[in-house]
Amino acid sequence: GAGVSQTPSNKVTEKGKYVELRCDPISGHTALYWYRQSLGQGPEFLIYFQGTGAADDSGLPNDRFFAVRPEGSVSTLKIQRTERGDSAVYLCASSPVTGTEQFFGPGTRLTVL
Amino acid sequence: GQQLNQSPQSMFIQEGEDVSMNCTSSSIFNTWLWYKQDPGEGPVLLIALYKAGELTSNGRLTAQFGITRKDSFLNISASIPSDVGIYFCAGHTGGFKTIFGAGTRLFVKA
Repeated sequence: GAGVSQTPSNKVTEKGKYVELRCDPISGHTALYWYRQSLGQGPEFLIYFQGTGAADDSGLPNDRFFAVRPEGSVSTLKIQRTERGDSAVYLCASSPVTGTEQFFGPGTRLTVL
Repeated sequence: GQQLNQSPQSMFIQEGEDVSMNCTSSSIFNTWLWYKQDPGEGPVLLIALYKAGELTSNGRLTAQFGITRKDSFLNISASIPSDVGIYFCAGHTGGFKTIFGAGTRLFVKA
């Protein structure tokens, strides 16, 4: 069956621009997670959703980062006024319910010039 | 914040050798997880551990949840070339926020 998909696979933007990264979880999975992975590092937790609500957003680095999941399926990670330090691979994962195995997508590589 | 110290950072081994890597933390973890990541892909779960002292196997992989709940190890027996990749330990201290280590990069020479 279809796994977690993320679009775009690559995004190049200029400093100061706004970007949206999309995650399509596995159908029926109620929990959805966003992570950021810098080169040579492990994934860093950003936020997770249980259904439509953000259950824990303690990993969002600052108020330029925001994520939504309005219908409890697709999620969008939004980054305002991008900075060069935001360059990383943004990973999305979903699980059937919170606390069970997370299935990761391939990530979106964001480059801020 | 909570951190996982993963070692070694990288390993260069010969095909057929056994491999051991570990993860330690100053915090107590309720769950320990081991993932493998291939280039251009997301991590894939290998083994999940839920109880202190638990020893779990998945084929040639064996992992243990330390008694103190502050450490875990992963062993790979009889390595093969497709074992190449980055192995991450991860865990939960409470709730479902997952903390990852920095990874162990495994290189296997045929």
